[in-house]
Amino acid sequence: EPEVTQTPSHQVTQMGQEVILRCVPISNHLYFYWYRQILGQKVEFLVSFYNNEISEKSEIFDDQFSVERPDGSNFTLKIRSTKLEDSAMYFCASSIGTANSPLHFGNGTRLTVT
Amino acid sequence: DAKTTQPPSMDCAEGRAANLPCNHSTISGNEYVYWYRQIHSQGPQYIIHGLKNNETNEMASLIITEDRKSSTLILPHATLRDTAVYYCIVHDNFGNEKLTFGTGTRLTIIP
Repeated sequence: EPEVTQTPSHQVTQMGQEVILRCVPISNHLYFYWYRQILGQKVEFLVSFYNNEISEKSEIFDDQFSVERPDGSNFTLKIRSTKLEDSAMYFCASSIGTANSPLHFGNGTRLTVT
Repeated sequence: DAKTTQPPSMDCAEGRAANLPCNHSTISGNEYVYWYRQIHSQGPQYIIHGLKNNETNEMASLIITEDRKSSTLILPHATLRDTAVYYCIVHDNFGNEKLTFGTGTRLTIIP
């Protein structure tokens, strides 16, 4: 069964550094998402992306965050200058985009900012 | 999206049916009920969804009351690998809208 894949599984970075989290969505999916989950807290929506532009973003997704689909397969989340509070699991998801189609999630990247 | 209420935790004996309730009394006519689960910090996994009819797939069954104000997810023969947090999400999805996760029910399967 096709799946969403994320790399790396774990990323450690120093405060102030830039990080790029990578995702390969399911190949025929058209809508892409990033979520995050701080340890012990809810899964929170960050951003959705369709047709090479952001469809919706949350308050968390400030100017430090950006997303890109640089080629036909990858979907990336960049954090320009990481803060300690960016430490979390980051999940990528995709959906085919038809009405009521479910989201399919990757297994996440654990980002640790020191 | 309508709000949902789930018990914070439940236990179920291995091999038994696990019945996870969800209240969604403010659901509107075009909102679906979705169930996802999250096994130990892995990504959320889609289980099943429905509008008003009962649904069954290889993972679970979804029973929605006639007034649509509540539903029950049934795992017919729970195994230890079903231990997870289960999320009931009411969602009006025209293809693009985000899901909003609550705190879910932490289901523990007891050997």
